[in-house]
Amino acid sequence: DAGVIQSPRHEVTEMGQEVTLRCKPISGHNSLFWYRQTMMRGLELLIYFNNNVPIDDSGMPEDRFSAKMPNASFSTLKIQPSEPRDSAVYFCASSPTGAINTEAFFGQGTRLTVV
Amino acid sequence: EDKVVQSPLSLVVHEGDTVTLNCSYEVTNFRSLLWYKQEKKAPTFLFMLTSSGIEKKSGRLSSILDKKELFSILNITATQTGDSAVYLCAVEDKAAGNKLTFGGGTRVLVKP
Repeated sequence: DAGVIQSPRHEVTEMGQEVTLRCKPISGHNSLFWYRQTMMRGLELLIYFNNNVPIDDSGMPEDRFSAKMPNASFSTLKIQPSEPRDSAVYFCASSPTGAINTEAFFGQGTRLTVV
Repeated sequence: EDKVVQSPLSLVVHEGDTVTLNCSYEVTNFRSLLWYKQEKKAPTFLFMLTSSGIEKKSGRLSSILDKKELFSILNITATQTGDSAVYLCAVEDKAAGNKLTFGGGTRVLVKP
């Protein structure tokens, strides 16, 4: 398995533009997490899905952020409109919920810069 | 709300020193505590702890959990420059669909 795959790896966009980050979890994993990492705030959980259903989106900073998981193998995180303070590394992680002795596996992240 | 606090925030040691990292937590319904190492890329998994008092060991790294006092420690012995990284602690909450909440991390710098 190739692991959790995120795209793009890097994104530079202008303020006000729409940004879409993509994630393909590990096949068979039924939990998916979106995290944002900054120097100031560390690794923050934005939203997570269980069996494609959003369970907790309380970490989503504001209405400009939205996430979807239309099927078990794909998720998107969208920011519209983007702002400079959204600049961060966004990680997607997946885990096989319900199994014992398992851990979340992270993708390589998308480094977003909003100018 | 689940909460994870790591200490110290950062530390600098020399090769060969021993390092002890702390993680304290509050969680609604504890399932597990995990340690990750993050260099200039995605976090990589180190340990998962579910039971108190049972040490997990991997080479020079070891970790133990105290579910009564709600903390865990990660030890690194005979440190090497390759151990320089941010070490992240996270707890998994059974009451929240196994949600993972991370601490702020401890930045370790090992000098030659």
